[in-house]
Amino acid sequence: ETGVTQTPRHLVMGMTNKKSLKCEQHLGHNAMYWYKQSAKKPLELMFVYSLEERVENNSVPSRFSPECPNSSHLFLHLHTLQPEDSALYLCASSQEADGTQETQYFGPGTRLLVL
Amino acid sequence: GENVEQHPSTLSVQEGDSAVIKCTYSDSASNYFPWYKQELGKRPQLIIDIRSNVGEKKDQRIAVTLNKTAKHFSLHITETQPEDSAVYFCAARGQYNFNKFYFGSGTKLNVKP
Repeated sequence: ETGVTQTPRHLVMGMTNKKSLKCEQHLGHNAMYWYKQSAKKPLELMFVYSLEERVENNSVPSRFSPECPNSSHLFLHLHTLQPEDSALYLCASSQEADGTQETQYFGPGTRLLVL
Repeated sequence: GENVEQHPSTLSVQEGDSAVIKCTYSDSASNYFPWYKQELGKRPQLIIDIRSNVGEKKDQRIAVTLNKTAKHFSLHITETQPEDSAVYFCAARGQYNFNKFYFGSGTKLNVKP
């Protein structure tokens, strides 16, 4: 359960605030992901980093800004969010080998509420 | 891109009965299909997966079947127990877009004791 950690676990912010979500993986993986989980909707892939390089950006609004300083850490910087951005934000990691992605391991998520 | 549909959205069964959750996908190039279980307030966790070169895989009370021709795959849970109650998600990953997983909308399974 401690392979992928996320902080904070809960966050309440106003629409004018700036905050950052942090994810750390202790599994030696080389790919990391941000997902958004809203009620009654599929998990939405937001960003993918492979070998610290962003390889996927799923038409996410610019008020979400990812950062991957190394293969173990992933951040999601938030600014001027909207109430509809309230959701559970999940980080995941996996090990890419020879072009195949194996199992994704998820963090516990950050429950975000935008007022 | 890929589109994964999952049914039913909710499923209620009596303890000891079987539960079946079905997913369809649109991209015939998808080749890896994991299933995740998410208990209330917890992270999604992989419970079983199947690759496109296999038609069926079983792990104790859990099995997954894949029909590549029809582009659907199913999760089967036998002898259900109250601790199986959770939300289950299917997913599909493309053969060439290997960083990208497409998830179904989830099935909330309730096992009544």
